[in-house]
Amino acid sequence: DTGVSQDPRHKITKRGQNVTFRCDPISEHNRLYWYRQTLGQGPEFLTYFQNEAQLEKSRLLSDRFSAERPKGSFSTLEIQRTEQGDSAMYLCASSPTPGGSSRHEQYFGPGTRLTVT
Amino acid sequence: AQSVAQPEDQVNVAEGNPLTVKCTYSVSGNPYLFWYVQYPNRGLQFLLKYITGDNLVKGSYGFEAEFNKSQTSFHLKKPSALVSDSALYFCAVSPEGSGGYNKLIFGAGTRLAVHP
Repeated sequence: DTGVSQDPRHKITKRGQNVTFRCDPISEHNRLYWYRQTLGQGPEFLTYFQNEAQLEKSRLLSDRFSAERPKGSFSTLEIQRTEQGDSAMYLCASSPTPGGSSRHEQYFGPGTRLTVT
Repeated sequence: AQSVAQPEDQVNVAEGNPLTVKCTYSVSGNPYLFWYVQYPNRGLQFLLKYITGDNLVKGSYGFEAEFNKSQTSFHLKKPSALVSDSALYFCAVSPEGSGGYNKLIFGAGTRLAVHP
């Protein structure tokens, strides 16, 4: 496994600008998750995909946020009209489809740190 | 509301001594339980999980965790701490929902400091 990769690792943007992050999951994993982590807190669930279908979205995911996974492989998370409160680490994780006792853990990427000035 | 509590912001332990990092949860049904570790400038790494079966589960790097259903706890333990164990530890639960076990709900994390 090459692991989950995320790009960019760091992004500094001005308030009001749009930003897009990319996540490449572990190749055989058909589930992909996005989380947000602010300083001193644990990650908070944003959304997840089963292949290309987005199956659940958190209430944290306002209408300025959109996520896609068009071919069931990589995913993008876009934030429109960024606000200072969007500053956080955005984490991507992937997993196989749960089934049996050995397929439930999620594997995390290194994250994209967003700073909105 | 579903939640995970890690009551200690920081745990300090001397190298070679046993360590415990506490976790309790408030989730209905039969959640799956996990521990993850986060080293500086590195992503979250999976340590261990409880799905079903024996209440004591063993994981990576000599860590283990004990599931207690009546106390809704899942404490992380290690018999002999190493300085290299110093990191940020997160407890997480995956609630049983429609479509199965999907998202993870994390605690706020506990910083473990192991002193030589």
